[in-house]
Amino acid sequence: AQSVTQLDSQVPVFEEAPVELRCNYSSSVSVYLFWYVQYPNQGLQLLLKYLSGSTLVKGINGFEAEFNKSQTSFHLRKPSVHISDTAEYFCAVSAGGSNYKLTFGKGTLLTVNP
Amino acid sequence: SQTIHQWPATLVQPVGSPLSLECTVEGTSNPNLYWYRQAAGRGLQLLFYSVGIGQISSEVPQNLSASRPQDRQFILSSKKLLLSDSGFYLCAWSPPPGRYEQYFGPGTRLTVT
Repeated sequence: AQSVTQLDSQVPVFEEAPVELRCNYSSSVSVYLFWYVQYPNQGLQLLLKYLSGSTLVKGINGFEAEFNKSQTSFHLRKPSVHISDTAEYFCAVSAGGSNYKLTFGKGTLLTVNP
Repeated sequence: SQTIHQWPATLVQPVGSPLSLECTVEGTSNPNLYWYRQAAGRGLQLLFYSVGIGQISSEVPQNLSASRPQDRQFILSSKKLLLSDSGFYLCAWSPPPGRYEQYFGPGTRLTVT
């Protein structure tokens, strides 16, 4: 079975500062990894995904993530954040197979202050 | 392009009343469909998923049930709501085999009073 740990429940940063949201996973098989963003009272939006190939994945809104198999990590980064990036961010993992279930972390609340 | 709809957007129901939440997907065929619940301050809990019409898998024993009467329609129901059923309910779909990301609907905020 898979599990996901998001190491920080809250991350406050100032506008235009860089940010890294940390995600570690555990799985006995090859995995597929995802980051989602959730704005207040909305559904989740897919930011980026790692399925195979290059370990550096670029997503929407200027975010990127790096898959590190040896450290079982998939950290999300942005070089310069905006007020509008304030939201909850979820890391998720899938081991594939026939049912395509995702296992989600508990989320990291990113708060960007002026 | 594909879109996913959920309704209603918000719902306030008394304890013991029935529940029916609906989710429909447009622009794709034979999607996998999912129901999640998100309680305040907590992560996402997978409730049900479906890989085809009439095929429902339950992840958590509870007083909720799900049905898939049509290929792109997924319904979450309860005969008698509990206070603990309050939360934000999200429907999601995933594309045909070979891809694993899920796409979420806008959600339904359920408050049981």
